[in-house]
Amino acid sequence: SQTIHQWPATLVQPVGSPLSLECTVEGTSNPNLYWYRQAAGRGLQLLFYSVGIGQISSEVPQNLSASRPQDRQFILSSKKLLLSDSGFYLCAAQYISNSGANVLTFGAGSRLTVL
Amino acid sequence: SQQGEEDPQALSIQEGENATMNCSYKTSINNLQWYRQNSGRGLVHLILIRSNEREKHSGRLRVTLDTSKKSSSLLITASRAADTASYFCATDEEPALIFGKGTTLSVSS
Repeated sequence: SQTIHQWPATLVQPVGSPLSLECTVEGTSNPNLYWYRQAAGRGLQLLFYSVGIGQISSEVPQNLSASRPQDRQFILSSKKLLLSDSGFYLCAAQYISNSGANVLTFGAGSRLTVL
Repeated sequence: SQQGEEDPQALSIQEGENATMNCSYKTSINNLQWYRQNSGRGLVHLILIRSNEREKHSGRLRVTLDTSKKSSSLLITASRAADTASYFCATDEEPALIFGKGTTLSVSS
């Protein structure tokens, strides 16, 4: 089974400051990786996904970016944070279930508050 | 894009009662999945139902799927306080899963 590690768990940053959230995956190789954001009381919004090293697809135009420098490392970044970037950021990795379907394993999340 | 929409948004019940959550979606699907999220934590996969299945069971969980109505329901029988969490349905839109807004379930003892 795969395990997702995310850090930091909690982050408070001022508007205009940079951001780096890291996600690493254990127990699998060449997984599809995802960044989702969850605003308070709302569902999950897909931000980025990656099917391999250096391959990033963006779902929502914003001031965030993602990178995948290694097979099992996925990084979410921003050069200048906005108040609207506050939220709960979740990294996920895809695996194939016994029935052959795509299922996600999630990390514990990183809570970002921008002040 | 938001594919699934859960209903109700919030549900409060007593221990021992059954909890039913519904999910509606918009486009055709290969499968529909349900996930659980404890407060402040990541999501955990609960159960998956394929488009050619109508009902599936896993322990105290029962999922139904009606593709003609584009809807699914999750039933938790004999609820426990530990079932308190948010529950999300998700549809598979290659290469990602698209999640609904979730149902927050509160089970009181």
